[in-house]
Amino acid sequence: DAGVIQSPRHEVTEMGQEVTLRCKPISGHDYLFWYRQTMMRGLELLIYFNNNVPIDDSGMPEDRFSAKMPNASFSTLKIQPSEPRDSAVYFCASSLGRTGGTEAFFGQGTRLTVV
Amino acid sequence: KQEVTQIPAALSVPEGENLVLNCSFTDSAIYNLQWFRQDPGKGLTSLLLIQSSQREQTSGRLNASLDKSSGRSTLYIAASQPGDSATYLCAVRPPTNAGKSTFGDGTTLTVKP
Repeated sequence: DAGVIQSPRHEVTEMGQEVTLRCKPISGHDYLFWYRQTMMRGLELLIYFNNNVPIDDSGMPEDRFSAKMPNASFSTLKIQPSEPRDSAVYFCASSLGRTGGTEAFFGQGTRLTVV
Repeated sequence: KQEVTQIPAALSVPEGENLVLNCSFTDSAIYNLQWFRQDPGKGLTSLLLIQSSQREQTSGRLNASLDKSSGRSTLYIAASQPGDSATYLCAVRPPTNAGKSTFGDGTTLTVKP
């Protein structure tokens, strides 16, 4: 397996534009996580899914952020409209196991810059 | 609310030295603890996972220990190499919300040749 695949790797957009980040988890993994990393706040969990169902979205900063997982092999994180303070590296991760006892594997991240 | 602290924030050592990175957490009710490595501009790579019932895990030159009662974990790196230079993060997962791990801010390690 190629691991968790995220696209794009880099995104530069203007304030107010819609941004869509994509993630393909490791095949067979039933947990998918979206994180955001900044120097100021470190790594923050935004939302996670179990079997394609959102379980906890309490980390989503505001209504401008939304995430979907239409099937087991694909998820999107959308920001609409984007703002400069959304600039960060966004990571997707996946893991296997209903009990959450197994390792989480991370993608390479999407570096988002909103100007 | 779980809080995870990693001290020091940065560490610089000469090549060949053995070193210990620290991770402490405030709530001992955890399901597991995971150590990651992050290289600049890259994602997180899993190093070791310790279940709450375990005391330690080893992989090559790395050894991670867990003391739940005191809320501490250590990552021991033997015979450090310049290639070990990276940021090391620990994450704890609670037993009741299987997915919601709490991460520390990491320790940035520099191993000088």
